[in-house]
Order: sequence, then C-alpha cells, then structure tokens
Amino acid sequence: EVHLLESGGGLVQPGGSLRLSCAASGFTSSSYTMSWVRQAPGKGLEWVSSISGTNNATYYADSVKGRLTISRDHSKNTLYLQLNTLRADDTAVYYCAKGRLSSPYDAFALWGQGTLVTVSS
Amino acid sequence: DVVMTQSPDSLAVSLGERATINCKSSQSLLYNSNNKNYLAWYQQKPGQPPKLLIYWASTRGSGVPDRFSGSGSETDFTLTISSLQAEDVAVYYCQQYYTIPLYTFGQGTKLEI
Repeated sequence: EVHLLESGGGLVQPGGSLRLSCAASGFTSSSYTMSWVRQAPGKGLEWVSSISGTNNATYYADSVKGRLTISRDHSKNTLYLQLNTLRADDTAVYYCAKGRLSSPYDAFALWGQGTLVTVSS
Repeated sequence: DVVMTQSPDSLAVSLGERATINCKSSQSLLYNSNNKNYLAWYQQKPGQPPKLLIYWASTRGSGVPDRFSGSGSETDFTLTISSLQAEDVAVYYCQQYYTIPLYTFGQGTKLEI
C-alpha cells in the first residue's frame, strides 16, 4: 500500500528553523514529482514547493523562495523541507503530496496526513 | 500568475440532489498539443488531507465514485455530484497544474447538507 508520513513539525520561534520529513512507502518516491502544500488554520491550500521526478528540478512559491529548501534522500525514500527564517504567517499544516507521474505537469495523487508547524514566541 | 476562482463559496444541497461547483481560471488551461485541460479537483473532509477526485478536468481518480464528474475546458470548469450522499460533505478545491512552478488552488467551496 502506498503511503506518505510527515514528521518534524512543532512550535518554533520567529526567525527559527525546522526540517520536515516525508517518508514514502509502497513506491519509489524519486520516480515521481513530490511536493509540499500548506494550509493555514481555517484557510485554503497553498502550494509551497516541488521537486521534479523527471530531472530533480526544484520549484518554490514566491512567498517562500530563499527561505525554504526541498530535497530528497533516495536511499531513505524520504522527502524533506528545510524551513528557515520562519515567520508567523508560515504557521500551517504542511502536507507532503505525490504526483501522479514523474512529470510536474500533473495532479497530486496522494497526500500525507500533514504535520503542524506553529511559529510563535 | 494564474488565478483560480470558485463559486459559490458555500453550498447546501439536500441528500440525493445534484451539487454543482464552478471553477474559473484567469487563463486557458488547455494545452493544444495534447488537447488536455490541466485542471484537477480535490475533496477535503474535516480533519483529513485532500483527496484527488478528478484530473485532466474530467478523469476520475482511483476509487472515486461515478457520481462525481468533471467537465469544462479552457477557463471554465465544473464539478458535479449527481446524487449527494452524506459522506460528500467536505470542502472542494480546484487546482491548475498548467503553469508550474506555480500550481494554484481555488479558494475552496464548502458543501453542506
């Protein structure tokens, strides 16, 4: 069974850092475009970052560019999101999502349960 | 940036009745070389992650009941639930994947009974 499990969320002070992980099982995540999508409390979905399954190109939303870094470890079948210089408006549930195919030009076929990041002093 | 606008923001439909949610894109999502519309629909139930319902504007995702259907092309799209069931109470989002690196979602439509 294919599955995504996020971890690493928590409470962090403004300006702090955090690394989120997304462990994949049941499939080889490096063969697919993998993404992070966040959802602030009571709000809608906001795409944050993706890494292509075709060429490992990385993509970022303007709101996080320069502060967040997406990466993956093939040996651990795990996706990461490094969050730096965190702000209060980064507070959200962060979901890991698997693309339908290797190409980034496709829908998000599978989502993890999410991990909550709270930025507050 | 491509802006996705859903209507209505919320909707109340009786059990067994049809529910229709609209999504409008600020630019065409139709890629002429393959005649595909780069538009997906997701369902998010309370306390759960989103679930893919429809991709390529009209193709149902794996295991999605056939009461869910998607239609439309270029800039105007519709998600239809033909006969509303209690378990369909959720927020529904459209998403474009035509212009990466900026996937964009609609603001969501809350469906209630």
